[in-house]
Formats: sequence, C-alpha cells, structure tokens
Amino acid sequence: GAGVSQSPSNKVTEKGKDVELRCDPISGHTALYWYRQSLGQGLEFLIYFQGNSAPDKSGLPSDRFSAERTGGSVSTLTIQRTQQEDSAVYLCASSYLETGGTTDTQYFGPGTRLTVL
Amino acid sequence: AQKITQTQPGMFVQEKEAVTLDCTYDTSDPSYGLFWYKQPSSGEMIFLIYQGSYDQQNATEGRYSLNFQKARKSANLVISASQLGDSAMYFCAMREGLRGGYNKLIFGAGTRLAVHP
Repeated sequence: GAGVSQSPSNKVTEKGKDVELRCDPISGHTALYWYRQSLGQGLEFLIYFQGNSAPDKSGLPSDRFSAERTGGSVSTLTIQRTQQEDSAVYLCASSYLETGGTTDTQYFGPGTRLTVL
Repeated sequence: AQKITQTQPGMFVQEKEAVTLDCTYDTSDPSYGLFWYKQPSSGEMIFLIYQGSYDQQNATEGRYSLNFQKARKSANLVISASQLGDSAMYFCAMREGLRGGYNKLIFGAGTRLAVHP
C-alpha cells in the first residue's frame, strides 16, 4: 500500500512568516511522529500522536511550534513567525502501535525541506 | 551523555565485500529496541532491521544482520555482499521503555557509507 506522504516537499519562506507542513500516515497506523533533521543537530524528535492526542510534545523547541492530528489520520505541523534556525528537513513517521505492544517500527515519509530566508 | 554513538562518520567498502557499521548505546532501561535506518541521497529514511533487548537471537533481514552484544551495549549493522545501491547514510536508533509507553526514537549521528566498484 501507499507509504507515508508529506507535503510540500520543499518550502521556502521569509523570516517571520507562518508555515504549515502536512503528513499523511500509512492507512491504519495509530501512531504518528514528527522529527527534524538539521545539519547541526542531527535527527531530533519533536512530537508524537497516539490517535488524535499528543502524549509527548517534549521535543517541540518553542511555543512557535504546534501540531495537530485530526480523524486519527492527517497531521499538520505549524511553525509560527519562522526563524532562520527553523531551516531543516521535517520528517514524519507512522507506526501501528498496539496498546501494551512493544515492537513498533516507524516508517518515514520523504520529508519537507524548509528554508527560511 | 549521548545515548546513541556512531563513531564512524564515513566508511567505504569494495563492492561485494561485507562491511560493519558500529553503534553503541546507553540506557538503564532493561526494555528497549534498536533500529537501523538507511537514508539515501533522496532523503527518505528506510527501515532496515530491528533488535529487541529481550531477543535471544541476532536479527537478520536478507543481506543485513545485527551483531547485538548486550553486555557491551553495542548493536553493529553488518551488510554482506555490498552493492553500489548501498551507498547512503546509515542511522542507528533506540526506543526506550518498550513497555512504558515511550515511543520516540533517539538517533545517532549517522555513518556515511560509500560502496566502490
């Protein structure tokens, strides 16, 4: 079946503008994750959804970052008042995580490359 | 302290030979999982192999095998019969607390593998 999809694939914006990044997980996957990959920081976790709720938001770098998930499916990551340090590749992953389950392999999308000028 | 350490920023191997990519980890949780992902130049993270902390045998998936040495806290990836298409960045990742609901992956800095003809 279809994998994780993300849009847009590339986004160039000006400092101070808001951006929305979208993730469509694999159909049936209950868990959804956002990560950020930047040159200086490597791959870092941002937020995790189980269904529509976000039990772990610990990786969001500031209150300019927010995310939501609707219908247990699509998720949107919003960055308000973008800064140059927000430039990175934003990766979304999804997994089928059963309650009390242990192994859950996260499958990644192709990412959105964000450039803040 | 780094949780996942990949000490080889770059490696090269001759086509058809085997190569080992190193990964050491640090956790006090007895329940954890270790993952390897491949990231080609296209940017997508491709899942390769998984090893659970309670698994008795080393994981294998086709040409990929994981040399899991629990006492040494190492989980090295072995790629046999290297192919030109194996040239990519390889990431080791860990998920702690498999039974506690922690779901985020913690990634190493990655190893760039170049396969030479």
